Amino acid sequence: NAGVTQTPKFQVLKTGQSMTLQCAQDMNHEYMSWYRQDPGMGLRLIHYSVGAGITDQGEVPNGYNVSRSTTEDFPLRLLSAAPSQTSVYFCASSRPIAGAGVGGELFFGEGSRLTVL
Amino acid sequence: AQSVTQLGSHVSVSEGALVLLRCNYSSSVPPYLFWYVQYPNQGLQLLLKYTSAATLVKGINGFEAEFKKSETSFHLTKPSAHMSDAAEYFCAVGGKAAGNKLTFGGGTRVLVKP
Repeated sequence: NAGVTQTPKFQVLKTGQSMTLQCAQDMNHEYMSWYRQDPGMGLRLIHYSVGAGITDQGEVPNGYNVSRSTTEDFPLRLLSAAPSQTSVYFCASSRPIAGAGVGGELFFGEGSRLTVL
Repeated sequence: AQSVTQLGSHVSVSEGALVLLRCNYSSSVPPYLFWYVQYPNQGLQLLLKYTSAATLVKGINGFEAEFKKSETSFHLTKPSAHMSDAAEYFCAVGGKAAGNKLTFGGGTRVLVKP
């Protein structure tokens, strides 16, 4: 069981370039989300999705785009990379807590380390 | 709105000593609370969670946390630290008003001294 798979693990970009971070999960989870991790700031939510075709913005959405065409996949697009987007990116998935309508335990990928020069 | 404050970005403990990591939260609705652990170069994994059942929650690797509504706290403890506990620990809060969004604290890095 692969869980949550992120690719690539490492990427170096030049300012202004675009790229897509891939995320796939094989647990049939409804909820998926993207976080970025920066030292001392914990994880901050970029975008999330509660199901195929439904996405919404998190705390730090600017400069990023997402789509959710299937339950399994949730790619994150950087439209025009900036040095401020140098970070470690984590994709996570979860299923709702029964009867609560909120997400339960998050299952994380191993992260994608992005450097923007 | 919801928020999480973890007191102390770094904690150093001796092997065999008590581990205490502090977490205070703010939430306008009954919260769901989580502790996650991150080992070097890995993603986060769940240690334990509080979802409105028992206030004392036991997790993996001997960790436990107590939900105290009056203090808006969810501190993580382990009676006896092991070298393998060296990692970064994150407290997170969620709740119905937040949908499936979790808000994370800034993290506490634990160093275990032999």
